[in-house]
Amino acid sequence: DGGITQSPKYLFRKEGQNVTLSCEQNLNHDAMYWYRQDPGQGLRLIYYSQIVNDFQKGDIAEGYSVSREKKESFPLTVTSAQKNPTAFYLCASNPRQGAANYGYTFGSGTRLTVV
Amino acid sequence: AQSVSQHNHHVILSEAASLELGCNYSYGGTVNLFWYVQYPGQHLQLLLKYFSGDPLVKGIKGFEAEFIKSKFSFNLRKPSVQWSDTAEYFCAVKPGLGGGSQGNLIFGKGTKLSVKP
Repeated sequence: DGGITQSPKYLFRKEGQNVTLSCEQNLNHDAMYWYRQDPGQGLRLIYYSQIVNDFQKGDIAEGYSVSREKKESFPLTVTSAQKNPTAFYLCASNPRQGAANYGYTFGSGTRLTVV
Repeated sequence: AQSVSQHNHHVILSEAASLELGCNYSYGGTVNLFWYVQYPGQHLQLLLKYFSGDPLVKGIKGFEAEFIKSKFSFNLRKPSVQWSDTAEYFCAVKPGLGGGSQGNLIFGKGTKLSVKP
């Protein structure tokens, strides 16, 4: 079955460490997205990518970085510059940017906790 | 910036009660509208979507939503809820041309629904 795989499901980070969250899709979608979900805050867009080797900052990009070297992969790095990284992170994809008639397909998320 | 408002943070209902969750958006032009659901421990799933045509949209699991352009609203309804509908519900909007957001979905903050058996 096609879908989005996020790993790991749970991740613990020490303060000052960088960590990378994995997102892989086998849907052949061009566009991929990273959202952060906090209680009562909904989903906030961190970064998005419309196509391979291209990505754009979302609303809360500070302290995060991404890469898009392959169509199927869009890893997110949470750097030590992110002051409040404890959150639930969701990856999503869409056939192409702006192709809203498909809606977004979401992964199952990674819960990151700073210890 | 465009925004999406969901009026209730937490709704508690008994089984068989009727449900209506409010969603309002700020963009006055063409929009695409969505409702997503997140069951406990699961990923977001698309409940229903509106693009054009009949403003009353039917989705999965007996849910429906009505697009009222004059009110900038897209409220979610279900005539009789079940315990299994306990979840968090997110409204999302994609503004059309000129609406900004670079074609990305804008999400509301979500409404938690708890259904008592």
